[in-house]
This record gives sequence, structure tokens and C-alpha cells, in this order.
Amino acid sequence: DQQVKQNSPSLSVQEGRISILNCDYTNSMFDYFLWYKKYPAEGPTFLISISSIKDKNEDGRFTVFLNKSAKHLSLHIVPSQPGDSAVYFCASGGSNYKLTFGKGTLLTVNP
Amino acid sequence: GAVVSQHPSWVICKSGTSVKIECRSLDFQATTMFWYRQFPKQSLMLMATSNEGSKATYEQGVEKDKFLINHASLTLSTLTVTSAHPEDSSFYICSASYYEQYFGPGTRLTVT
Repeated sequence: DQQVKQNSPSLSVQEGRISILNCDYTNSMFDYFLWYKKYPAEGPTFLISISSIKDKNEDGRFTVFLNKSAKHLSLHIVPSQPGDSAVYFCASGGSNYKLTFGKGTLLTVNP
Repeated sequence: GAVVSQHPSWVICKSGTSVKIECRSLDFQATTMFWYRQFPKQSLMLMATSNEGSKATYEQGVEKDKFLINHASLTLSTLTVTSAHPEDSSFYICSASYYEQYFGPGTRLTVT
């Protein structure tokens, strides 16, 4: 049973526009959430996180929104740049520091 | 800061041999490290939690006798794939906790 779901395997946007990546989770024990960016044959790079006591966290071009009642989070990238093209993983964790990852969304930003 | 390294980055071994992968936290101490495995176009799957000075905690379905984990110091954890088989070929990634989880660059293992 997938506890963290990224239902869109891929997303394509135009440079300068907004990219919105979505993630749903089922485990109500998760209390913090993270987004990672990953290039092929490399380890994931931490982007941004949010704890369950917040509904929004912003860092430069990246904003993560959390809707606890819907068990949904999203990552907004604005403006999108070609260098943002990568696979984005949503991850959720609880008090034991273990992370559960979604399957990832391949973002392609076209010049 | 918060840099995690892995060695080797790529290894090819023959079926039946053992391979050791090292994970180091370069600029911080990590009492807990994690080992993940990623198959092509799939998510990162947690294999085990490595705790400094104690036994690793393995996830369900992961053979502890096949994937030996040692966390002998606060900056080093090792994963040894014993008696490797072609189905063990995969991308292995470690992470260490420092406020957030920071990941190593990964090790691509190919078993022939």
C-alpha cells in the first residue's frame, strides 16, 4: 500500500511559468514533509520541507503548501527555469526520522 | 555544510562475490544513517536504518544476512552486499540526518 503518492509521473512547463507538483499521503502519523530533487544516477538533493503545524513554507522560488485535512501537499516553483528539469520526490516522515517516498514526478522545463 | 559522500560511485562485480559500499558524513556527525535502494523509474525504498554502535534495523522483506550494515563511527556506515546476484543490481543511496536528511550521491552496483 503506497502511503505517499505522486500521481503525475511527468509534467512539462514553459520557462518562466509556474510548475506545480502534487503529492498525497495516507498516513496521518506523518508530521513533516519534504521535497527532493534528483538527477539520474545521483542522490536526491533536499529542496524544502514543511512541518505539520504549518500550511506554507517558502524559500526563494520554491513554496510548499500543506493541506492536512486533504492529506495533500504541493510544491510550487515560480518562475520555472530549464535547470529545474529533474525528478522531484515528495517524502513524508514521522518521529523516527524514517522517510517514505513517492514515486517521483519528472519535471521538464522547456526554454 | 551537511555533505554526505559514498564510495565507490560505481562498481561491477561477479555473481557470488561481496561488495562493500561506504557512506560518510563529511562535516557533521550522524548517529543515524539510512540505506535506500532505487530501481529504474521507481521510488527510493528504505532498506534499513543504521544506528551508530548498535545493530541496524531492517525493513520488512530486506534480508539482513545478505545486506550487512555496520555503523562503527559517527561519520561512517557501510553496506556489504554478500554473495551478490544479478537481481541485486541497483542504485544504492545512503542518507544521514542533520536536521533534514541529506543524501549521498549513490552507488550503482552491477552484478554480472
